[in-house]
Amino acid sequence: AQSVTQLGSHVSVSEGALVLLRCNYSSSVPPYLFWYVQYPNQGLQLLLKYTSAATLVKGINGFEAEFKKSETSFHLTKPSAHMSDAAEYFCAVSSLSGSARQLTFGSGTQLTVLP
Amino acid sequence: NAGVTQTPKFQVLKTGQSMTLQCAQDMNHNSMYWYRQDPGMGLRLIYYSASEGTTDKGEVPNGYNVSRLNKREFSLRLESAAPSQTSVYFCASSVGRTANYGYTFGSGTRLTVV
Repeated sequence: AQSVTQLGSHVSVSEGALVLLRCNYSSSVPPYLFWYVQYPNQGLQLLLKYTSAATLVKGINGFEAEFKKSETSFHLTKPSAHMSDAAEYFCAVSSLSGSARQLTFGSGTQLTVLP
Repeated sequence: NAGVTQTPKFQVLKTGQSMTLQCAQDMNHNSMYWYRQDPGMGLRLIYYSASEGTTDKGEVPNGYNVSRLNKREFSLRLESAAPSQTSVYFCASSVGRTANYGYTFGSGTRLTVV
């Protein structure tokens, strides 16, 4: 079974600082990986996805993630944090279960942006 | 706006009561899913429907049933609610039988069982 681990349930950064949210995956086959963002009292919104094309994936709102097979990582970064980035972020991997593939989510990282 | 619509947004139930959470999507997606979200546990799959007419259990199906009424609608039923089912429930849909395209999520139903 495939799984993801998000290191750090809470991350705080100052406005304008680098954002780095960590995600490691476990997979016996080349994975499909995703980052989602959840703003308070809302559903999840897709930030970006890796589907075996370019290893550096650019997403919405200035976020990007790099797939590193040797490290089994898919960390999310943004060069300069904005107050509006405060949210919970979820890493997910596509996994096979039953008759179809589903997304298996990490436990999430709450990002706080300090003024 | 196109997307996934869930009703109701909030619900309080007494232990033992039943209720159905409704979900509809207007994107002509084939696959639909129900997740529950609990603090520190991310999202866990309850049931999914890879295509119209099929449903399968996910990671945490106990205490729930589902119905794929048609291609647009996928409902989740709690027959006898328990406090352990207090959670935020999300419906999602996807283009095809695979999840490689990612999901579109509804805004959630916040359920409290007392």
